[in-house]
Amino acid sequence: AQKITQTQPGMFVQEKEAVTLDCTYDTSDQSYGLFWYKQPSSGEMIFLIYQGSYDEQNATEGRYSLNFQKARKSANLVISASQLGDSAMYFCAMREGRGATNKLIFGTGTLLAVQP
Amino acid sequence: IAGITQAPTSQILAAGRRMTLRCTQDMRHNAMYWYRQDLGLGLRLIHYSNTAGTTGKGEVPDGYSVSRANTDDFPLTLASAVPSQTSVYFCASRKGAGNTEAFFGQGTRLTVV
Repeated sequence: AQKITQTQPGMFVQEKEAVTLDCTYDTSDQSYGLFWYKQPSSGEMIFLIYQGSYDEQNATEGRYSLNFQKARKSANLVISASQLGDSAMYFCAMREGRGATNKLIFGTGTLLAVQP
Repeated sequence: IAGITQAPTSQILAAGRRMTLRCTQDMRHNAMYWYRQDLGLGLRLIHYSNTAGTTGKGEVPDGYSVSRANTDDFPLTLASAVPSQTSVYFCASRKGAGNTEAFFGQGTRLTVV
């Protein structure tokens, strides 16, 4: 079974509008972390935002915010005021496991295209 | 400049040949990972290591092996390459087992023919 599910293979958004990228996860751990990464067409992986499973407030980093709904096991990324430079692939990831089995796994990604 | 370096950046390899992808980090990170990225499949974890001397299998370990003799290096070996191993390979590292972000290398584009 997929541990990280991103159901939107691709999305369009108009410049200056907000967009939500969906991510659901599956884990039996009580302690875990959720991450979002951006991969532009140049290929590098850029860390955007992080949410810990015990964090009570949703994480925010500039125009990025993470809508964390623990009971639903979802960690959606919200990008406000989209810019052309936001066009990229976005990956949701989860840190799970303890000690020697601690690992970081990724979803299949969402390709976002920002239109002028 | 501190960071994580992969070599080579790209390679064309004949099927059946042995190949080692190199990954070195100078951030003294304990955890290191190897992923392969394929269209439509995202990044899939091949192997990981949470500290020097230990390794673990990820989601798609078959056909690959790793070693972690020291903190800085985490090579990935394809013992006998097959065309299905054509992919972009990313190495990543994290400071520890907690919720710190991973830093990625620039990737290695491998084509097995």
